[in-house]
Amino acid sequence: SQKIEQNSEALNIQEGKTATLTCNYTNYSPAYLQWYRQDPGRGPVFLLLIRENEKEKRKERLKVTFDTTLKQSLFHITASQPADSATYLCALKAAGNKLTFGGGTRVLVKP
Amino acid sequence: KAGVTQTPRYLIKTRGQQVTLSCSPISGHRSVSWYQQTPGQGLQFLFEYFSETQRNKGNFPGRFSGRQFSNSRSEMNVSTLELGDSALYLCASSPSSNRQGRETQYFGPGTRLLVL
Repeated sequence: SQKIEQNSEALNIQEGKTATLTCNYTNYSPAYLQWYRQDPGRGPVFLLLIRENEKEKRKERLKVTFDTTLKQSLFHITASQPADSATYLCALKAAGNKLTFGGGTRVLVKP
Repeated sequence: KAGVTQTPRYLIKTRGQQVTLSCSPISGHRSVSWYQQTPGQGLQFLFEYFSETQRNKGNFPGRFSGRQFSNSRSEMNVSTLELGDSALYLCASSPSSNRQGRETQYFGPGTRLLVL
């Protein structure tokens, strides 16, 4: 069956360090993968999209990699700040299918 | 532009009742999707509407239904509520039907439903 897995354990990180989150999937041939940020009590906010034929995307302090052979995406927050504390969700879209979300990983950046 | 708005923000119902939630997409957005979010199951897709037509549906029972109006506003209805329907219901809109436009989902703040 199709699965999208994100680390359910919270990631605690010191301010200024790089946070790295993982999104693994099975039985998918995604057309693209997205990352969203969700704060408590709010809806997710789109951050980045990376397509199946792209290896890496960057946006300010964010970097996403996509390895379709390993079936994995890595999401990096460099020079992390306390304001980066949130839950981060990955989402996959296969052709003809709905957008499917992982369970999310909570990040806590300590000053 | 105003963001996606959802009403009501909070709702308490009892088992067996029905509920209607409303979503107003970003102006100009014609695609509206609904999701259910719970701590155990995460964010799960309910359905997607475009130009008043349901284009995609998730794996939810028939008690969950929706519709979209000509102004792109959407409603979802849950009949015969069960305790397990307690969740955050999120609506998201996308700009258009073409491949580029549909990719980014703009979410509203959600409606938190509690079923007692």
